[in-house]
Amino acid sequence: DQQVKQNSPSLSVQEGRISILNCDYTNSMFDYFLWYKKYPAEGPTFLISISSIKDKNEDGRFTVFLNKSAKHLSLHIVPSQPGDSAVYFCAALGGNNNDMRFGAGTRLTVKP
Amino acid sequence: DAGVIQSPRHEVTEMGQEVTLRCKLISGHNSLFWYRQTMMRGLELLIYFNNNVPIDDSGMPEDRFSAKMPNASFSTLKIQPSEPRDSAVYFCASSKDRLWGYTFGSGTRLTVV
Repeated sequence: DQQVKQNSPSLSVQEGRISILNCDYTNSMFDYFLWYKKYPAEGPTFLISISSIKDKNEDGRFTVFLNKSAKHLSLHIVPSQPGDSAVYFCAALGGNNNDMRFGAGTRLTVKP
Repeated sequence: DAGVIQSPRHEVTEMGQEVTLRCKLISGHNSLFWYRQTMMRGLELLIYFNNNVPIDDSGMPEDRFSAKMPNASFSTLKIQPSEPRDSAVYFCASSKDRLWGYTFGSGTRLTVV
């Protein structure tokens, strides 16, 4: 049962433009959401997070938006850079669980 | 701190053989997670420990999989007997606090032929 879904397996954008990665979840008990970035042959690394009490969190070029009523979050990267090319995983935590549930990932390619 | 250390980085084994994957946590972290990455399901949680105690192993595919945490800094994931469908990248991650997220190791790429 995929409680966290990333329906776009890949995304390609031009350098300097905005990248928007989307994520949907089904479990209403999730109250904390994270984005991880993964380069080939490396483990995922933490990028940015948001608590369910907020609807936006910004860190430099990265902004995460949360729409609780729609059970949807998105990661915006602007401007996109070639070094942003990686697989991005959406993850969620919630309820009494300490285990993080991940989506299947979206491969972002930023073209120079 | 060297981060979460996984070994081996690559493992190629024949079907039916036993495979043991190893993970060393970051000092001070009290939660340990084993994930498997596949193309179809992304990062799939297999099992996690809190303070050396297994909390949820519902993600373990079947009885061929077992995980242990003999001390606060080390864990193993064993597959016996291994099958070709077990081929994947296995990640271990540790955490001190849920709100700080996880620190992942570099993964073990397992190929069962």
